[in-house]
Amino acid sequence: QLVVTQSPSASASPGASVKITCTLSSGHSTYAIAWLQQKPEKGPRYLMKVDSDGSHTKGDGIPDRFSGSSSGTDRYLTISSLQSDDEAEYYCQTWGTGIHGVFGGGTKLTVL
Amino acid sequence: QITLRESGPTVVKPTQTLTLTCTFSGFSLTNSGVGVGWIRQPPGKALEWIALIQWNDNRYFSPSLKNGLTIAKDTSRNKVVLTMTNLDPVDTGTYYCARGLQSYAPRSGYYTLFHNWGRGTLVTVSS
Repeated sequence: QLVVTQSPSASASPGASVKITCTLSSGHSTYAIAWLQQKPEKGPRYLMKVDSDGSHTKGDGIPDRFSGSSSGTDRYLTISSLQSDDEAEYYCQTWGTGIHGVFGGGTKLTVL
Repeated sequence: QITLRESGPTVVKPTQTLTLTCTFSGFSLTNSGVGVGWIRQPPGKALEWIALIQWNDNRYFSPSLKNGLTIAKDTSRNKVVLTMTNLDPVDTGTYYCARGLQSYAPRSGYYTLFHNWGRGTLVTVSS
């Protein structure tokens, strides 16, 4: 059974970079994921798809500061040149072996 | 421009049935690879995947929720309806619909990720 794990929180200073991790359970290293951004009281926003080979395809209008990568069962979202507006909850979503979707628990990013 | 909008009751009593409608524009649910799904989020908690219906009428449900769930599409009116029976207070939360796109990876098969989301509708289950 696929389990998707995210660290509950991350923080960094304005102008710095941060890397958020989504870990898929063992045996799911070939799975792609989507990264979503959710700000308070708003619906999620699709950022990008990250494939198992590390390639990523961003959604419309997503700034170049956002990028994705992979290593084994880990999928990463890197945000560079952090801005206060990047403060949000970040979720990863994938597709489980039971033929259904699965979300990670979310990572709350604080821009200090 | 792709838009999705959720509608339905804001308060439902325990044991009652919830019917939510997703009305969308900017895409067609007859196009290959396209789906519309439902996701919910209890107050202060993470997103939870509920169900998906695809262009070819394939339907997928969360294993933990699938009893009492139905999902249907009306492609001529650009609507998808989710029905959940026997509601409980733990079902309180914001319900989102989203447009999904199906992809394929050789070693993991077909999968659908949600690209466009509605604003959500808050449903409270309370007597």
